[in-house]
Amino acid sequence: AQKITQTQPGMFVQEKEAVTLDCTYDTSDQSYGLFWYKQPSSGEMIFLIYQGSYDEQNATEGRYSLNFQKARKSANLVISASQLGDSAMYFCAMVLYNFNKFYFGSGTKLNVKP
Amino acid sequence: NAGVTQTPKFQVLKTGQSMTLQCAQDMNHEYMSWYRQDPGMGLRLIHYSVGAGITDQGEVPNGYNVSRSTTEDFPLRLLSAAPSQTSVYFCASSELRSYEQYFGPGTRLTVT
Repeated sequence: AQKITQTQPGMFVQEKEAVTLDCTYDTSDQSYGLFWYKQPSSGEMIFLIYQGSYDEQNATEGRYSLNFQKARKSANLVISASQLGDSAMYFCAMVLYNFNKFYFGSGTKLNVKP
Repeated sequence: NAGVTQTPKFQVLKTGQSMTLQCAQDMNHEYMSWYRQDPGMGLRLIHYSVGAGITDQGEVPNGYNVSRSTTEDFPLRLLSAAPSQTSVYFCASSELRSYEQYFGPGTRLTVT
């Protein structure tokens, strides 16, 4: 059963605008973590942001913020003030702490237009 | 500090051949894992380890073996390569319970 769903295969955003990448997850575990990774065309995986299931405040890292809505099981990534260098694939991921297992979504390809 | 290294970067195998993908990390991380990335499917966990001598299966373990004799190394063995194993393979490591994973550069494997 798919545990991470990213429904936007591709998105466009104008440079300097904000963009939201959607992610929903499915688990009955209470103890889990949610992540976002960026994969540029060069192929490496870059960690962006983390949110624990018990964290009450939304995580922020610079221009990245994670909009965590536990009841809706969503963990959307918000990128503020998009830059051309933000063009990449973005993956949402979840770890189930009791099992030490990670699950990744299928990704969203973001294109930032000048 | 090299981080996570993987060798080789590229590999072409014939169906039925076996090979080992190497992964090493120099950060003394307890947790190491192997993923495959196929187009349109994101990353899928193959095997993982929470420390030397301890390994477990992920989502897609069939056709792959792992071992963890040291903290640093976590090789992935393909027992008898099949075209369905054509993929990009990533190794990753992290501190246990930190879960901020550091990824290697990947190995692009083609099985003909």
